[in-house]
Amino acid sequence: GQQVMQIPQYQHVQEGEDFTTYCNSSTTLSNIQWYKQRPGGHPVFLIQLVKSGEVKKQKRLTFQFGEAKKNSSLHITATQTTDVGTYFCLSGANNLFFGTGTRLTVIP
Amino acid sequence: DGGITQSPKYLFRKEGQNVTLSCEQNLNHDAMYWYRQDPGQGLRLIYYSQIVNDFQKGDIAEGYSVSREKKESFPLTVTSAQKNPTAFYLCASSRGGHNQPQHFGDGTRLSIL
Repeated sequence: GQQVMQIPQYQHVQEGEDFTTYCNSSTTLSNIQWYKQRPGGHPVFLIQLVKSGEVKKQKRLTFQFGEAKKNSSLHITATQTTDVGTYFCLSGANNLFFGTGTRLTVIP
Repeated sequence: DGGITQSPKYLFRKEGQNVTLSCEQNLNHDAMYWYRQDPGQGLRLIYYSQIVNDFQKGDIAEGYSVSREKKESFPLTVTSAQKNPTAFYLCASSRGGHNQPQHFGDGTRLSIL
């Protein structure tokens, strides 16, 4: 699997603030999956986007897939302490592409 | 309950020793994957298998070997040729194809004695 650039690498926010992580690729992606990994835990699948410009919401989480299908974002509104963990993207077709992950810390 | 079971949770290896990490799934998934995760780092693909009796090398296959004799099982052997095996190893499965969501096991932490 190749790497997809993911930024930021780390993010510290005060509880209640918003958070966004971005995945950027130099090549067109067929799809994008987002996962969350709690400290000491295993990755858990959150969502998959496949269409250009697609936007999906899960409660306080909003996921977007760019029009050119080269970038994606995950936005959390009003973070809570339960949001702590590392969020990473994954894209797969013939090959697997991984985001390097963004580690989110929420300060109570 | 359907899921992926990795064992053991913790494993210690002596220098020059081969060790095998177990991964079993009862999700009836065709594809299975092995990843390595180093502290503070992202996932790196070691091996994957999309059907029984077939597997492909990932980015960091050197020093590792796998087998896929049964659909449910995808054991990973860390050989003595892997000079820096200390890491968190994650197994995953999916219905098939890289575009399917992956379900992960709880992982095995391997350390060198």
